[in-house]
Amino acid sequence: EPEVTQTPSHQVTQMGQEVILRCVPISNHLYFYWYRQILGQKVEFLVSFYNNEISEKSEIFDDQFSVERPDGSNFTLKIRSTKLEDSAMYFCASKGANTGELFFGEGSRLTVL
Amino acid sequence: GNSVTQMEGPVTLSEEAFLTINCTYTATGYPSLFWYVQYPGEGLQLLLKATKADDKGSNKGFEATYRKETTSFHLEKGSVQVSDSAVYFCALSPPGVVGGGSNYKLTFGKGTLLTVNP
Repeated sequence: EPEVTQTPSHQVTQMGQEVILRCVPISNHLYFYWYRQILGQKVEFLVSFYNNEISEKSEIFDDQFSVERPDGSNFTLKIRSTKLEDSAMYFCASKGANTGELFFGEGSRLTVL
Repeated sequence: GNSVTQMEGPVTLSEEAFLTINCTYTATGYPSLFWYVQYPGEGLQLLLKATKADDKGSNKGFEATYRKETTSFHLEKGSVQVSDSAVYFCALSPPGVVGGGSNYKLTFGKGTLLTVNP
């Protein structure tokens, strides 16, 4: 069964460092998303991506965040200069053209020290 | 704006017990409603969904009924198993975008950890 895969599963970084979280969506999907969950809080929408551009982003997704689909298979989330409050579980998701179901990856846990 | 509130966990039950996890929502119009489940070490998986009022979503013995009058979508299972131990998330999507669209996004609740003991 096709699945969304994410790497790394856990990353520890120092405040101010750049982090790239990687995702391989399901191959024939067209819509891509990042969500995050700070420990003990809700899963929050960060950004959606379609046709090689951002289609919507939340207030959380400020200038420190960027997304890219560099090679037609990977979908990356970059945090330019991490802050303590960026510590969270980051979920990638993808969706096909005519279905309402999002397929999520296992998540990447980011710990900023 | 849209929001989802689900019961605080953790919930601990014995095998074969009855499960209810409450979920209420705030949204304009008729959103679509979902329950996602996250088993240990895995990603979020869609458990069931309902797209209009009075619809009942069901899967793996779990059920939830879309109640517009009470803005609720409570998850129930008559007899839980140890393998049901997981985190359960209630979520909604805005009306009219279930089938597609790049503006499709989910609003989640906090999640409820369920532990089922043998």
